[in-house]
Amino acid sequence: AQSVTQLDSQVPVFEEAPVELRCNYSSSVSVYLFWYVQYPNQGLQLLLKYLSGSTLVKGINGFEAEFNKSQTSFHLRKPSVHISDTAEYFCAVSAPNQAGTALIFGKGTTLSVSS
Amino acid sequence: NAGVTQTPKFRILKIGQSMTLQCTQDMNHNYMYWYRQDPGMGLKLIYYSVGAGITDKGEVPNGYNVSRSTTEDFPLRLELAAPSQTSVYFCARSQGPSYGYTFGSGTRLTVV
Repeated sequence: AQSVTQLDSQVPVFEEAPVELRCNYSSSVSVYLFWYVQYPNQGLQLLLKYLSGSTLVKGINGFEAEFNKSQTSFHLRKPSVHISDTAEYFCAVSAPNQAGTALIFGKGTTLSVSS
Repeated sequence: NAGVTQTPKFRILKIGQSMTLQCTQDMNHNYMYWYRQDPGMGLKLIYYSVGAGITDKGEVPNGYNVSRSTTEDFPLRLELAAPSQTSVYFCARSQGPSYGYTFGSGTRLTVV
């Protein structure tokens, strides 16, 4: 079975500062990894995903994430955040060869950007 | 969110009542899912479906039922509502494991 741990429940940061949201996963098989963003009172939107190949993946809104197999991590980064990036961020994992391929989500990290 | 429509958006139920949360997609994708979201707990899978007529339990199925008579619709049924079912419910669709999900905008349910 797979599991996901988001290491920070809340991350406060000032506008234009860099940010990293940390995600570790556990799995005995190869996995797909995802980051989603949820703005207040909305559903989740896909930010980026890692399937295979290059370990650095770029997503929407200037976010990127790096897959590190040896550390079983998939941290999300942005070099300069905006007020509009304030939201909850979820890391998720799936095992592509298992029936149902349902995503398993972490508990979320609330990113608060202030001026 | 475009592609997955959930109704209603809000609902208050009394303990013991029942209701159906509706979910409809417009893309004919085989995979559909129901999650519940509770504060600080992330999303937990209730039920999923890999195609019309095929459903299976997720992590937290107790108190819920689903059906998938068509590719487009994946309703979630709550029988005998309990306060523990107070949550935000999200439906999602997917083309397959490498595509990620498209989520609906959610149904906020309160059981009193």
